[in-house]
Amino acid sequence: GNSVTQMEGPVTLSEEAFLTINCTYTATGYPSLFWYVQYPGEGLQLLLKATKADDKGSNKGFEATYRKETTSFHLEKGSVQVSDSAVYFCALSNTGNQFYFGTGTSLTVIP
Amino acid sequence: SQTIHQWPATLVQPVGSPLSLECTVEGTSNPNLYWYRQAAGRGLQLLFYSVGIGQISSEVPQNLSASRPQDRQFILSSKKLLLSDSGFYLCAWRGTGVSSPLHFGNGTRLTVT
Repeated sequence: GNSVTQMEGPVTLSEEAFLTINCTYTATGYPSLFWYVQYPGEGLQLLLKATKADDKGSNKGFEATYRKETTSFHLEKGSVQVSDSAVYFCALSNTGNQFYFGTGTSLTVIP
Repeated sequence: SQTIHQWPATLVQPVGSPLSLECTVEGTSNPNLYWYRQAAGRGLQLLFYSVGIGQISSEVPQNLSASRPQDRQFILSSKKLLLSDSGFYLCAWRGTGVSSPLHFGNGTRLTVT
């Protein structure tokens, strides 16, 4: 079946630190992979996506590479800011109408 | 461009009262529509999704129901709320295709007292 496993949080970093949030997936065929961000009290916003192996999604300094050989889609940012504090969700879409979400990783960036 | 509207933003309801949450999408036709619930500090739980008018798939048996009376309108209802229905309810839409992302509304914070 399809599933997403995301690293447990919470994660606390100092401003300008390097961020990695691990995400691995299980799927058959050729899924698309996504990262979403949720700020307090708001809905989820699409952060980036990748639709095939070796694709790199990027947005607002965040990057993630679709690695089929390791079934991973880790989120990275070189220098986090206080405004990046949020909950991050890894997600997968495959044939069918459903999305499969990880459990979310809470990030707090301290000045 | 496409937009999704969800209301109300917050709602406090007594146990046993009815519920109606509404979601509408603009700027696209025949979207797939979804209702999710997010308990405090938890992940997302898919409640219902719809691929067309009158077509509803339920993922979790419970006292909630959904309806899609128009192409871009999705309604979440309950006849009698339970305390366990408290949570953050999110409506979302997507187009067709595996690579099409979900687009979320701003959510409704429901507190059942």
